[in-house]
Amino acid sequence: SQTIHQWPATLVQPVGSPLSLECTVEGTSNPNLYWYRQAAGRGLQLLFYSVGIGQISSEVPQNLSASRPQDRQFILSSKKLLLSDSGFYLCAWMPRQIYEQYFGPGTRLTVT
Amino acid sequence: GQQVMQIPQYQHVQEGEDFTTYCNSSTTLSNIQWYKQRPGGHPVFLIQLVKSGEVKKQKRLTFQFGEAKKNSSLHITATQTTDVGTYFCAGTFSGGYNKLIFGAGTRLAVHP
Repeated sequence: SQTIHQWPATLVQPVGSPLSLECTVEGTSNPNLYWYRQAAGRGLQLLFYSVGIGQISSEVPQNLSASRPQDRQFILSSKKLLLSDSGFYLCAWMPRQIYEQYFGPGTRLTVT
Repeated sequence: GQQVMQIPQYQHVQEGEDFTTYCNSSTTLSNIQWYKQRPGGHPVFLIQLVKSGEVKKQKRLTFQFGEAKKNSSLHITATQTTDVGTYFCAGTFSGGYNKLIFGAGTRLAVHP
């Protein structure tokens, strides 16, 4: 069966510090991968998605970036965090042509 | 741009009452999906609807896709406290199958 991992579960970072969140999927190959951000009590904002290694589509211009160095690995990064970057970051994967997304447990980021 | 509007934003019901949330798009959807997010958790895939006029049931949950494929609804019969959470619809549009457009969600509170 397929499993998606995200870490860390919670993170508190000062403004201006770098960020690296990692997501990995097991039990499947060549999935679509997604990064979402959710503010408290709000909906899901799509940040990035990837349909293959090295292929990244950005949905929201901001100080975040994403990379997919391996087929089942998706990384979200920032060089300098802003207060507005606080939120619940969710990674998701989708089997090709199935159009059902499966979410990881998420990372709660607080920028202080 | 392509948007999926979801109402209501909040719904408070007494246990045993019914609940319905609605999603609308100004553009024809290729398919629509429903997700449930429990408080503090991550979204979990519930169901996907693809065909015009499609109706699917999962125990007390009934999902409908409109004839014009521009609207959808989720109806819960006789709510229970375990139904508490936020329900999101998400759709794909022609030419954009790699990403889902999420509605803002409906937060359901069930009072015993």
